[in-house]
Amino acid sequence: KQEVTQIPAALSVPEGENLVLNCSFTDSAIYNLQWFRQDPGKGLTSLLLIQSSQREQTSGRLNASLDKSSGRSTLYIAASQPGDSATYLCAVYNNDMRFGAGTRLTVKP
Amino acid sequence: ETGVTQSPTHLIKTRGQQVTLRCSSQSGHNTVSWYQQALGQGPQFIFQYYREEENGRGNFPPRFSGLQFPNYSSELNVNALELDDSALYLCASSRLAEEGNEQFFGPGTRLTVL
Repeated sequence: KQEVTQIPAALSVPEGENLVLNCSFTDSAIYNLQWFRQDPGKGLTSLLLIQSSQREQTSGRLNASLDKSSGRSTLYIAASQPGDSATYLCAVYNNDMRFGAGTRLTVKP
Repeated sequence: ETGVTQSPTHLIKTRGQQVTLRCSSQSGHNTVSWYQQALGQGPQFIFQYYREEENGRGNFPPRFSGLQFPNYSSELNVNALELDDSALYLCASSRLAEEGNEQFFGPGTRLTVL
């Protein structure tokens, strides 16, 4: 059974800092991995999708990597801003999508 | 391009009642998935519909059922509501086996069971 873990559960950083969020999964047989952002009480916004054959994806200040063999992915956020404050979720897809519990990020002005 | 929409936004029901939640897929998408998200947790997969057929189901009892219509919109029905059914219900649409099966989520329906 696929299990997804995100570390840390919460993170608080000053504005401008670069940061890394971690995601690990137990079964490397995945079709893709997706990173999402969720604001309180809202739906999920897709940030980056990495297909199983890819190693990384970039969008603006975000970079996500995937190492299937070790069951790990990282989301790198450069030059963090207060507007980046949200919960970040990773999810892996095979026959269904399994989510981690998320990392709650606070960026202080 | 219209995104994924869900209705209603909020709903309050009492234990034992039945509820229907609705989702309209993003234009061009043929697959809808439903998720339950309890407070402070990641979403849990309920089921997926592809071309009006159930195409996978998570660990949820049969009182959770669904439909997908020819226009790819979808309903989630929950019978005999229990207190633990209180959660944010999310639907996501995608193009199965295309575009990496990237999932696009709606804003969710907040269900409270009293």
